Amino acid sequence: AQSVTQPDIHITVSEGASLELRCNYSYGATPYLFWYVQSPGQGLQLLLKYFSGDTLVQGIKGFEAEFKRSQSSFNLRKPSVHWSDAAEYFCAVGVKNTDKLIFGTGTRLQVFP
Amino acid sequence: DTGVSQDPRHKITKRGQNVTFRCDPISEHNRLYWYRQTLGQGPEFLTYFQNEAQLEKSRLLSDRFSAERPKGSFSTLEIQRTEQGDSAMYLCASSPSGRETQYFGPGTRLLVL
Repeated sequence: AQSVTQPDIHITVSEGASLELRCNYSYGATPYLFWYVQSPGQGLQLLLKYFSGDTLVQGIKGFEAEFKRSQSSFNLRKPSVHWSDAAEYFCAVGVKNTDKLIFGTGTRLQVFP
Repeated sequence: DTGVSQDPRHKITKRGQNVTFRCDPISEHNRLYWYRQTLGQGPEFLTYFQNEAQLEKSRLLSDRFSAERPKGSFSTLEIQRTEQGDSAMYLCASSPSGRETQYFGPGTRLLVL
């Protein structure tokens, strides 16, 4: 069965520090992978997506993610975190044909000044 | 260009009452998805439409739940005889077609007392 695991429930970083959020997936074929961000009381906003091609994808707000098939991972990175990045981050895999999304449980990011 | 809108944003109801939520997708988006998100969890797929056809329903969607998308435009999600376990955020998303980004609305937060 398809699934997504985000091992880190809560991460705290200082402003200006680098960030890496982990995501592992289970899927029987080449996956479609997504990272969404959710601020309190807001809907989900797409940060970036991987469908095929270059395994390093660039997104909005300075985020990037790398698809590693051998590790079944799609980790999200940012070289320098801003206080406004504090939010909940969700990794998701898209199921082909229906394109429904299967989400991980999320990682809450807290940023200290 | 307006995004996905949902109405109401908040709903408080008593156990046993019926509630109906509305989702207006981005214009000309053929696919419309409903998800449910409980506290501390990622969104879970409920159902989706391709135009007016409802193509898949999750096992989470008990017979108390019904969704429609008449004329392939807006969609409604009705919950009959609400239970406290139905308390959650109900998210709607739309996409132009398959293998496309899903754009999420702000959600409807339901509290069943």
